[in-house]
Amino acid sequence: AQSVAQPEDQVNVAEGNPLTVKCTYSVSGNPYLFWYVQYPNRGLQFLLKYITGDNLVKGSYGFEAEFNKSQTSFHLKKPSALVSDSALYFCAVRGLNQAGTALIFGKGTTLSVSS
Amino acid sequence: EAQVTQNPRYLITVTGKKLTVTCSQNMNHEYMSWYRQDPGLGLRQIYYSMNVEVTDKGDVPEGYKVSRKEKRNFPLILESPSPNQTSLYFCASSPDGGKGYGYTFGSGTRLTVV
Repeated sequence: AQSVAQPEDQVNVAEGNPLTVKCTYSVSGNPYLFWYVQYPNRGLQFLLKYITGDNLVKGSYGFEAEFNKSQTSFHLKKPSALVSDSALYFCAVRGLNQAGTALIFGKGTTLSVSS
Repeated sequence: EAQVTQNPRYLITVTGKKLTVTCSQNMNHEYMSWYRQDPGLGLRQIYYSMNVEVTDKGDVPEGYKVSRKEKRNFPLILESPSPNQTSLYFCASSPDGGKGYGYTFGSGTRLTVV
């Protein structure tokens, strides 16, 4: 079965410290992986994607993600967190419904960056 | 500006009163989807559409209907809303069904059914 797991409901970091938001996936075939961010009262905004190629993917707002096929992980990282990074983060994988068009989301991880 | 527009942003209604949430995209995308977001459950797909007049059920379609008469519009219809449909709803569109470009999401519709 296709699935995405975000093992941490909440991640707390201090401003200026590196952050990691974890994601593992289960899908048959090559995965198409995405990270989205949701700010309060806003829709989801695309951060980055992995389709193929380099295992380290760079995205918006200084975020990057590392694809690890052997560990089936796609962790989101940022070298230096900002208070404005505080939001809800979703990992997603392109699923295989009848049309192959669904995004299967994890439950989300709330990132809280303190000043 | 390329965007997905949902209306209304907020809606409170009573059980059994039919309602429609509209969704429109201006990017000429073929693929469109509806998701609902519930705490602790993430986002789950309700219905999707690959093109005009082509729609199919997602993971949680019960109690919902959709139509795709035009490429740009993909309304979500609740014929007889119930309190368990209280949720945050997102419409999304994609040029390729998430193969390379992912999805662009609307700002969401917060629905409360009392």
